[in-house]
Amino acid sequence: NFMLTQPHSVSESPGKTVTISCTRSSGSIDSNYVQWYQQRPGSSPTTVIYEDNQRPSGVPDRFSGSIDTSSNSASLTISGLKTEDEADYYCQSYDSSGIFGGGTRVTVL
Amino acid sequence: QVQLQESGPGLVKPSETLSLTCTVSGGSINDYYWTWIRQTPGRGLEWIGYIHAGGSTNYSPALKSRVTISQDTSQNHFSLKMGSVTSADTAVYFCARGSYPWYFDYWGQGTLVTVSS
Repeated sequence: NFMLTQPHSVSESPGKTVTISCTRSSGSIDSNYVQWYQQRPGSSPTTVIYEDNQRPSGVPDRFSGSIDTSSNSASLTISGLKTEDEADYYCQSYDSSGIFGGGTRVTVL
Repeated sequence: QVQLQESGPGLVKPSETLSLTCTVSGGSINDYYWTWIRQTPGRGLEWIGYIHAGGSTNYSPALKSRVTISQDTSQNHFSLKMGSVTSADTAVYFCARGSYPWYFDYWGQGTLVTVSS
């Protein structure tokens, strides 16, 4: 199995843009889809991006996902940051098992 | 709207078996991949395994020897059993619906299970 590595935390001011990386340790990042989940304190995760760059209905277009094969990583970008975006974000992929990244705490200053 | 709800004991003794049930409403479990995931402060989110509507299962290699996931389509629920638990199994346990099966689009609220004597 491979691992997915995320930064522990990122912070930015309201209205700005943050990008969270998710680096795959082995194998190609484009071999298997990547999902991104948002988890607010005391709540269960909800999907913000699935299949690398697809947004579920109801997720604002401020959230976008991408894949970069040169760095073997996926990224979640949140533009126009709002205080409500403050949460933990997890990337997730798979091979024969589900694999989660360690999570990134986004703080909106 | 699909909803999932975990239920089961919140306290389990070491070496005993953890048993949880996930009841699904707003949809049938006769399709999709019904999944268990747990979360601890130290290890984050950890995929445990799934059962497909057809009855096939897939478990995390790290937990495979101790885990069984089953389903009851008449009750529209599925269950997790984990044997020989230790304090390392203390976690919030989530059930979720898996599409294809690796996109978890609906999650339960989670239930805290503490392993302690």
